[in-house]
Amino acid sequence: AQTVTQSQPEMSVQEAETVTLSCTYDTSENNYYLFWYKQPPSRQMILVIRQEAYKQQNATENRFSVNFQKAAKSFSLKISDSQLGDTAMYFCALSSRAGTASKLTFGTGTRLQVTL
Amino acid sequence: EPEVTQTPSHQVTQMGQEVILRCVPISNHLYFYWYRQILGQKVEFLVSFYNNEISEKSEIFDDQFSVERPDGSNFTLKIRSTKLEDSAMYFCASQRDRFTEAFFGQGTRLTVV
Repeated sequence: AQTVTQSQPEMSVQEAETVTLSCTYDTSENNYYLFWYKQPPSRQMILVIRQEAYKQQNATENRFSVNFQKAAKSFSLKISDSQLGDTAMYFCALSSRAGTASKLTFGTGTRLQVTL
Repeated sequence: EPEVTQTPSHQVTQMGQEVILRCVPISNHLYFYWYRQILGQKVEFLVSFYNNEISEKSEIFDDQFSVERPDGSNFTLKIRSTKLEDSAMYFCASQRDRFTEAFFGQGTRLTVV
């Protein structure tokens, strides 16, 4: 079974500062994908960033980057230059490449509040 | 930009009634999913659907639940006899292939009273 753990239920950061959200996971697969999804108050799920496990290079999308440590099964999200619009729930998720489809296993989420 | 569309956005139903939640996935996508999120909790996988059949389902997806793709575009989730604990946000997602990211709809908030 796959599990995803987010140990920070809530975090707060000031506008323009940097914040890191933690995520650890467990899987017996060697090939898998990791994702960070953002869920604003509208409750829509929006993909922030994606990492393929076989790639050593950490993924980057503008102000968002990850620190992927495969041996430690850790996948943290760094948000630089935080903006008020980053206020949301952030979910770490894992999907396996095995099987017919690739369901996502989500963590419990971290609620991020960006303040002035 | 193509998107996954879900209807209705909010549905209120009486306990014991049947509900059908509808989704229009992105047109060239082949894999379809339903997830649910009980208020304040994490998102949970319900079922995946590929090649006109269920490829995987969770233990939540019992005999009260069914999915179908009746006309090649819509993807529906039916709950036969709703219970209070079915109250949740239900998300549909679609994927072009299983190696690319899943795109989520905006969700249907189901309230069972």
